[in-house]
Amino acid sequence: EAQVTQNPRYLITVTGKKLTVTCSQNMNHEYMSWYRQDPGLGLRQIYYSMNVEVTDKGDVPEGYKVSRKEKRNFPLILESPSPNQTSLYFCASSPEGQGAWNYGYTFGSGTRLTVV
Amino acid sequence: LAKTTQPISMDSYEGQEVNITCSHNNIATNDYITWYQQFPSQGPRFIIQGYKTKVTNEVASLFIPADRKSSTLSLPRVSLSDTAVYYCLLVTGGGNKLTFGTGTQLKVEL
Repeated sequence: EAQVTQNPRYLITVTGKKLTVTCSQNMNHEYMSWYRQDPGLGLRQIYYSMNVEVTDKGDVPEGYKVSRKEKRNFPLILESPSPNQTSLYFCASSPEGQGAWNYGYTFGSGTRLTVV
Repeated sequence: LAKTTQPISMDSYEGQEVNITCSHNNIATNDYITWYQQFPSQGPRFIIQGYKTKVTNEVASLFIPADRKSSTLSLPRVSLSDTAVYYCLLVTGGGNKLTFGTGTQLKVEL
């Protein structure tokens, strides 16, 4: 089944303890991206990657890192999490930047992160 | 970035057709109009995309007038399972991100 897989689905951690949220897609998509969703703010892009070894900042990149060493994986790294990073995180992928015509982006099921 | 405006919420009953209109007065020439659906605690799901006139797929239709300053997502014969948030987005050709607004909360009742 074509999908974007995120792990873990739920995570509670303490301030300052480094964590990684994994994202993997099995569709050979070039484009991958991370979003966070907060009440009243909608979904905001954190980072995106157009291809292997090519990453760039989105709207809210502060406090996050990413890497794209393989086409299928795009992990999100929080080096020193803080409570304001408590959010619902989504990874998305697409065959190309704008989404292939009438295809759109495929989103993962989300990771609910709580930083205490 | 061009913004979109859509109703905050809509109510409907099973079996009815639902039309959600989105306003995008400042749409650019190379912008596409795209709609996503999101259920609670799930990732958004692509519904339909168009540039002008009418587009139809197995789940919805998208109507875009000639001036492209608005668009209407039409859901035929909705069911309870169509209760979700629907987002209207403008996606720039070759662009790198989706800009989500607050969407329209559709509630379908018996």
